[in-house]
Amino acid sequence: EPEVTQTPSHQVTQMGQEVILRCVPISNHLYFYWYRQILGQKVEFLVSFYNNEISEKSEIFDDQFSVERPDGSNFTLKIRSTKLEDSAMYFCASSESLGTGTYEQYFGPGTRLTVT
Amino acid sequence: DAKTTQPPSMDCAEGRAANLPCNHSTISGNEYVYWYRQIHSQGPQYIIHGLKNNETNEMASLIITEDRKSSTLILPHATLRDTAVYYCIVGHSARQLTFGSGTQLTVLP
Repeated sequence: EPEVTQTPSHQVTQMGQEVILRCVPISNHLYFYWYRQILGQKVEFLVSFYNNEISEKSEIFDDQFSVERPDGSNFTLKIRSTKLEDSAMYFCASSESLGTGTYEQYFGPGTRLTVT
Repeated sequence: DAKTTQPPSMDCAEGRAANLPCNHSTISGNEYVYWYRQIHSQGPQYIIHGLKNNETNEMASLIITEDRKSSTLILPHATLRDTAVYYCIVGHSARQLTFGSGTQLTVLP
């Protein structure tokens, strides 16, 4: 069964450093998403991406964040200068155009980002 | 997107049906009801969704009331591996999912 994959599974970085989190969405999917979950808190939406551009973003997704689909398979989230409060589990998700307008999202296993 | 209300926790005996309720009284006509679950700190897992009609798949059944103001997710024969946080989410297709606190379902042996 196709699945969303994410690398690395765990990333430790120092405050102020740049990190890139990588995702490989399900191959025929057209919509891509990033969410995050701070330990013990709710899953929060960050950004959605369709047709090579951002379609929605939350208040969390400020200028420190960017997304890119550098080739036909990868979808990346870059945090330019990490802060302690960026420590969280980051989940990538993808969904496809089924023609029925429902678009259920399939999530990857997540990358745990620890900023020290 | 409409807000949902779920009980914070529920228990269910292994092998029995688990019925998880959700209230979404402010749902609009073109919003879907989605159910996801999260096992420990894994990525959320899609379970089922519906608009007006009841739905069933290999994982669960979804019963939506006629006025669409509430729904129930049914796991027909709960196993220990179904222990998870279950999220009821109302929203429009292709858009962001807004996760609440969900219901912690514990399946007891």
